[in-house]
Amino acid sequence: DAGITQSPRYKITETGRQVTLMCHQTWSHSYMFWYRQDLGHGLRLIYYSAAADITDKGEVPDGYVVSRSKTENFPLTLESATRSQTSVYFCASSSGGANEQFFGPGTRLTVL
Amino acid sequence: AQSVTQPDIHITVSEGASLELRCNYSYGATPYLFWYVQSPGQGLQLLLKYFSGDTLVQGIKGFEAEFKRSQSSFNLRKPSVHWSDAAEYFCAVDLDNYGQNFVFGPGTRLSVLP
Repeated sequence: DAGITQSPRYKITETGRQVTLMCHQTWSHSYMFWYRQDLGHGLRLIYYSAAADITDKGEVPDGYVVSRSKTENFPLTLESATRSQTSVYFCASSSGGANEQFFGPGTRLTVL
Repeated sequence: AQSVTQPDIHITVSEGASLELRCNYSYGATPYLFWYVQSPGQGLQLLLKYFSGDTLVQGIKGFEAEFKRSQSSFNLRKPSVHWSDAAEYFCAVDLDNYGQNFVFGPGTRLSVLP
């Protein structure tokens, strides 16, 4: 089915472990985004990508790494997870310009 | 710094009552403005957007929003709320109008009484 998917939907990990959250979209959108959602903060942009092999930092990039080797995929890696990275992570995509962002269902990550 | 504020953290209304959710932004120019809704356990869905022109915009599910430049506001309204409208509502601003630089407000949680 067309759309934007995220995997896993739920993840529990331990402090210090590496975790990768996957995001896949089937619209061939140029832009892709990673946000984290925390109570009282709304959504905060972690990283975004304007096209394959082009990524840039958002508001809260520390502790995260992204890559975009293919247009349709935009994985987010926590190289050494910390408790402060416990959050709900949303991936989004857009065709850019004045167009809306389309959001995935989210991944709930718990770091113990 | 640019910011988006939603003064009401939580609003409770009765089914059938009218609704207004407030959004203010702090930004020099007129950015693109959006309202999104998030149902429990779901991602965000666009309700409506404003780029230019008529300051009253219509969206899905019977929602509308009015842009007021003098007040830097973009308030969301609905004349008659349904129980299914219970959700979290986010105002967002596209700071550079290129779709890359969204800033979201903290959200307003809407509860609907039967």
